[in-house]
Amino acid sequence: RKEVEQDPGPFNVPEGATVAFNCTYSNSASQSFFWYRQDCRKEPKLLMSVYSSGNEDGRFTAQLNRASQYISLLIRDSKLSDSATYLCVVNTNAGKSTFGDGTTLTVKP
Amino acid sequence: SAVISQKPSRDICQRGTSLTIQCQVDSQVTMMFWYRQQPGQSLTLIATANQGSEATYESGFVIDKFPISRPNLTFSTLTVSNMSPEDSSIYLCSVWTGQREGNTIYFGEGSWLTVV
Repeated sequence: RKEVEQDPGPFNVPEGATVAFNCTYSNSASQSFFWYRQDCRKEPKLLMSVYSSGNEDGRFTAQLNRASQYISLLIRDSKLSDSATYLCVVNTNAGKSTFGDGTTLTVKP
Repeated sequence: SAVISQKPSRDICQRGTSLTIQCQVDSQVTMMFWYRQQPGQSLTLIATANQGSEATYESGFVIDKFPISRPNLTFSTLTVSNMSPEDSSIYLCSVWTGQREGNTIYFGEGSWLTVV
């Protein structure tokens, strides 16, 4: 079993749709959680951190359930520019991170 | 945050040769890492680059194949030795600036390597 597992995707949605990505992790000692975005042929870039209380940044909402070892990302009112691969990232030891395989989102007009 | 510069940004290499990738950070950072991303796959950690000592390698990666240097807190190199087509990949340098920045890691733009 992989340490970090994500929905395999791909997700193809129309503009304006709401889409949710799920992620589970196996190491209960994990300390920090993130969603990164990776555009084609680019490096991953931090989208948002994920906190136990849940956090929101504009159209993006991230949630963490430590008991279930589950992380989610919700994107509302999808834009064409949201098309990318979304990586679930779990950090256990001082910056050493484990990445999920990523979920590809394509937003269509 | 940190600004990370990697070079070369891309290269095409002959099998059997070696290539050294450089990573320069604009500020002193606690931790530096090297990742590999093979085509269509996610990122895999190669090693943690330790300042002034030998790197710490992950399972499946060895020093003879991927020697790493980190002479100071702002610079590291990764060498891909005796390359084969299976080494064709993106190699990414990343840094962790500490808990004061929420444990976030930042990435360089990557070095795209094709081995022919």
